[in-house]
Amino acid sequence: DAEITQSPRHKITETGRQVTLACHQTWNHNNMFWYRQDLGHGLRLIHYSYGVQDTNKGEVSDGYSVSRSNTEDLPLTLESAASSQTSVYFCATARTSGGTDTQYFGPGTRLTVL
Amino acid sequence: AQSVTQLDSHVSVSEGTPVLLRCNYSSSYSPSLFWYVQHPNKGLQLLLKYTSAATLVKGINGFEAEFKKSETSFHLTKPSAHMSDAAEYFCVVSDHGQNFVFGPGTRLSVLP
Repeated sequence: DAEITQSPRHKITETGRQVTLACHQTWNHNNMFWYRQDLGHGLRLIHYSYGVQDTNKGEVSDGYSVSRSNTEDLPLTLESAASSQTSVYFCATARTSGGTDTQYFGPGTRLTVL
Repeated sequence: AQSVTQLDSHVSVSEGTPVLLRCNYSSSYSPSLFWYVQHPNKGLQLLLKYTSAATLVKGINGFEAEFKKSETSFHLTKPSAHMSDAAEYFCVVSDHGQNFVFGPGTRLSVLP
Protein backbone atom coordinates (compact mmCIF):
# COMPACT_ATOMS: atom_id res chain seq x y z
CA ASP A 1 0.00 0.00 0.00
CA ALA A 2 1.11 3.55 -0.69
CA GLU A 3 2.10 5.53 2.36
CA ILE A 4 3.78 8.61 3.79
CA THR A 5 6.56 8.15 6.30
CA GLN A 6 8.07 10.82 8.50
CA SER A 7 11.30 10.61 10.44
CA PRO A 8 12.18 11.01 13.15
CA ARG A 9 8.87 10.60 14.95
CA HIS A 10 10.21 12.46 17.97
CA LYS A 11 13.11 14.91 18.15
CA ILE A 12 14.57 17.02 20.93
CA THR A 13 17.09 19.67 19.95
CA GLU A 14 18.66 22.83 21.29
CA THR A 15 18.09 26.42 20.31
CA GLY A 16 20.26 27.45 17.37
CA ARG A 17 20.83 23.99 15.92
CA GLN A 18 19.89 23.07 12.38
CA VAL A 19 17.28 20.33 12.19
CA THR A 20 15.94 18.42 9.20
CA LEU A 21 12.67 16.51 9.24
CA ALA A 22 12.22 13.89 6.54
CA CYS A 23 9.09 13.12 4.56
CA HIS A 24 8.93 10.25 2.08
CA GLN A 25 5.88 9.22 0.05
CA THR A 26 5.13 6.28 -2.17
CA TRP A 27 1.85 7.68 -3.56
CA ASN A 28 3.72 9.16 -6.55
CA HIS A 29 1.86 12.42 -5.91
CA ASN A 30 3.17 15.64 -7.39
CA ASN A 31 2.04 17.86 -4.52
CA MET A 32 3.61 17.79 -1.10
CA PHE A 33 2.97 19.99 1.91
CA TRP A 34 4.42 20.69 5.35
CA TYR A 35 2.19 21.85 8.20
CA ARG A 36 2.72 22.57 11.85
CA GLN A 37 0.05 21.87 14.43
CA ASP A 38 -0.25 23.95 17.57
CA LEU A 39 -3.01 23.98 20.13
CA GLY A 40 -5.76 26.41 19.15
CA HIS A 41 -4.40 26.99 15.65
CA GLY A 42 -5.30 23.85 13.79
CA LEU A 43 -2.78 23.12 11.06
CA ARG A 44 -0.85 25.94 9.42
CA LEU A 45 0.94 25.62 6.11
CA ILE A 46 4.72 26.08 6.18
CA HIS A 47 5.87 25.24 2.64
CA TYR A 48 4.53 23.31 -0.32
CA SER A 49 5.74 21.90 -3.62
CA TYR A 50 3.92 21.10 -6.85
CA GLY A 51 6.73 19.03 -8.32
CA VAL A 52 10.44 18.50 -8.61
CA GLN A 53 12.43 21.72 -8.21
CA ASP A 54 9.26 23.65 -7.25
CA THR A 55 8.88 25.10 -3.75
CA ASN A 56 6.55 27.76 -2.35
CA LYS A 57 6.14 29.57 0.95
CA GLY A 58 3.07 29.06 3.06
CA GLU A 59 1.50 31.03 5.86
CA VAL A 60 4.27 30.46 8.44
CA SER A 61 7.44 29.92 6.41
CA ASP A 62 9.90 32.12 8.34
CA GLY A 63 12.77 30.05 9.73
CA TYR A 64 12.00 27.03 7.54
CA SER A 65 13.18 25.84 4.14
CA VAL A 66 12.43 22.92 1.82
CA SER A 67 13.93 21.43 -1.31
CA ARG A 68 12.44 19.00 -3.83
CA SER A 69 14.99 17.00 -5.76
CA ASN A 70 12.71 14.04 -6.53
CA THR A 71 9.02 13.14 -6.44
CA GLU A 72 9.19 11.06 -3.28
CA ASP A 73 10.86 13.38 -0.76
CA LEU A 74 10.34 16.84 0.70
CA PRO A 75 12.67 17.42 3.65
CA LEU A 76 11.90 20.35 5.96
CA THR A 77 14.88 22.19 7.44
CA LEU A 78 14.86 24.49 10.43
CA GLU A 79 17.89 26.67 9.80
CA SER A 80 18.40 27.74 13.42
CA ALA A 81 15.87 26.14 15.73
CA ALA A 82 13.93 28.40 18.09
CA SER A 83 11.70 27.50 21.04
CA SER A 84 8.73 28.91 19.09
CA GLN A 85 9.22 26.08 16.61
CA THR A 86 8.35 23.44 19.20
CA SER A 87 5.37 21.80 17.54
CA VAL A 88 4.05 18.72 15.79
CA TYR A 89 4.90 18.69 12.10
CA PHE A 90 2.84 16.91 9.47
CA CYS A 91 3.74 16.14 5.90
CA ALA A 92 0.91 15.68 3.39
CA THR A 93 0.56 14.84 -0.29
CA ALA A 94 -2.11 15.32 -2.96
CA ARG A 95 -2.38 14.07 -6.50
CA THR A 96 -3.18 17.38 -8.16
CA SER A 97 -3.21 21.06 -7.34
CA GLY A 98 -6.82 21.62 -8.27
CA GLY A 99 -7.94 22.11 -4.70
CA THR A 100 -10.47 19.29 -4.87
CA ASP A 101 -8.09 16.46 -4.22
CA THR A 102 -7.81 14.80 -0.85
CA GLN A 103 -4.65 15.43 1.10
CA TYR A 104 -3.07 12.36 2.69
CA PHE A 105 -1.14 12.88 5.91
CA GLY A 106 1.87 11.29 7.47
CA PRO A 107 1.97 10.26 11.15
CA GLY A 108 3.71 13.46 12.27
CA THR A 109 6.98 14.42 13.94
CA ARG A 110 6.94 15.88 17.44
CA LEU A 111 9.76 18.42 17.72
CA THR A 112 10.87 19.97 21.00
CA VAL A 113 13.35 22.85 20.97
CA LEU A 114 14.97 23.49 24.35
CA ALA B 1 -8.85 35.06 1.40
CA GLN B 2 -10.31 31.92 2.82
CA SER B 3 -11.05 31.25 6.44
CA VAL B 4 -12.75 28.61 8.55
CA THR B 5 -14.56 28.98 11.85
CA GLN B 6 -15.35 26.00 14.01
CA LEU B 7 -17.85 27.32 16.47
CA ASP B 8 -17.12 24.91 19.30
CA SER B 9 -13.67 24.05 20.58
CA HIS B 10 -15.08 21.13 22.55
CA VAL B 11 -18.29 19.09 22.19
CA SER B 12 -19.32 16.40 24.63
CA VAL B 13 -22.07 13.87 23.87
CA SER B 14 -23.29 10.63 25.36
CA GLU B 15 -22.80 7.37 23.50
CA GLY B 16 -25.76 6.69 21.22
CA THR B 17 -26.83 10.35 20.93
CA PRO B 18 -26.47 12.55 17.83
CA VAL B 19 -23.30 14.46 17.01
CA LEU B 20 -23.23 17.96 15.52
CA LEU B 21 -19.94 19.71 14.84
CA ARG B 22 -20.32 23.15 13.33
CA CYS B 23 -18.23 24.75 10.61
CA ASN B 24 -18.60 28.05 8.79
CA TYR B 25 -16.33 29.16 6.02
CA SER B 26 -15.41 32.21 4.01
CA SER B 27 -14.19 31.90 0.45
CA SER B 28 -14.06 34.12 -2.60
CA TYR B 29 -14.59 31.16 -4.90
CA SER B 30 -16.78 28.12 -5.02
CA PRO B 31 -14.94 26.17 -2.38
CA SER B 32 -14.09 22.58 -1.80
CA LEU B 33 -14.74 21.58 1.80
CA PHE B 34 -13.38 18.71 3.83
CA TRP B 35 -13.70 17.19 7.26
CA TYR B 36 -10.69 15.40 8.73
CA VAL B 37 -10.47 13.42 11.96
CA GLN B 38 -7.41 13.06 14.14
CA HIS B 39 -7.27 10.43 16.86
CA PRO B 40 -4.81 10.97 19.71
CA ASN B 41 -1.18 10.85 18.59
CA LYS B 42 -2.19 9.98 15.04
CA GLY B 43 -2.14 11.69 11.66
CA LEU B 44 -5.23 13.12 9.99
CA GLN B 45 -7.72 10.96 8.13
CA LEU B 46 -10.28 12.19 5.60
CA LEU B 47 -13.90 11.74 6.72
CA LEU B 48 -15.63 13.30 3.72
CA LYS B 49 -15.37 16.05 1.13
CA TYR B 50 -17.60 18.36 -0.88
CA THR B 51 -16.46 19.37 -4.37
CA SER B 52 -19.54 20.99 -5.98
CA ALA B 53 -21.53 17.84 -6.59
CA ALA B 54 -24.32 16.73 -4.22
CA THR B 55 -24.73 19.09 -1.28
CA LEU B 56 -25.29 16.25 1.19
CA VAL B 57 -22.06 14.32 1.47
CA LYS B 58 -21.73 10.95 3.14
CA GLY B 59 -18.44 9.90 4.62
CA ILE B 60 -16.89 7.05 6.52
CA ASN B 61 -18.06 5.71 9.89
CA GLY B 62 -21.62 7.04 9.49
CA PHE B 63 -20.70 10.73 9.29
CA GLU B 64 -22.27 13.12 6.84
CA ALA B 65 -22.18 16.85 6.14
CA GLU B 66 -24.40 19.26 4.26
CA PHE B 67 -23.08 22.15 2.21
CA LYS B 68 -25.32 25.22 2.60
CA LYS B 69 -24.10 28.04 0.43
CA SER B 70 -26.62 30.57 1.73
CA GLU B 71 -25.40 29.98 5.28
CA THR B 72 -21.73 29.40 4.32
CA SER B 73 -21.84 26.32 6.49
CA PHE B 74 -20.65 22.73 6.29
CA HIS B 75 -21.73 21.12 9.56
CA LEU B 76 -20.75 17.53 10.36
CA THR B 77 -23.34 15.17 11.80
CA LYS B 78 -23.73 11.58 12.91
CA PRO B 79 -26.99 10.06 14.15
CA SER B 80 -25.49 8.00 16.96
CA ALA B 81 -22.11 8.58 18.61
CA HIS B 82 -19.78 5.71 19.36
CA MET B 83 -16.95 5.71 21.87
CA SER B 84 -14.47 5.33 19.03
CA ASP B 85 -15.62 8.70 17.61
CA ALA B 86 -13.79 10.56 20.38
CA ALA B 87 -11.15 12.58 18.52
CA GLU B 88 -10.27 16.00 17.14
CA TYR B 89 -12.17 17.09 14.03
CA PHE B 90 -10.98 19.67 11.53
CA CYS B 91 -13.00 21.50 8.91
CA VAL B 92 -10.94 22.53 5.88
CA VAL B 93 -11.65 24.86 2.98
CA SER B 94 -9.81 24.95 -0.32
CA ASP B 95 -10.25 27.21 -3.29
CA HIS B 96 -9.51 25.94 -6.77
CA GLY B 97 -6.03 27.37 -6.59
CA GLN B 98 -4.24 25.21 -4.20
CA ASN B 99 -4.09 25.83 -0.51
CA PHE B 100 -5.99 24.17 2.23
CA VAL B 101 -7.02 26.32 5.19
CA PHE B 102 -7.73 24.45 8.40
CA GLY B 103 -10.11 25.43 11.14
CA PRO B 104 -8.82 25.36 14.73
CA GLY B 105 -10.46 22.02 15.44
CA THR B 106 -13.26 20.67 17.63
CA ARG B 107 -12.52 18.07 20.26
CA LEU B 108 -15.32 15.52 20.52
CA SER B 109 -15.72 13.63 23.78
CA VAL B 110 -18.11 10.67 23.97
CA LEU B 111 -19.37 9.75 27.43
CA PRO B 112 -20.47 6.20 28.29
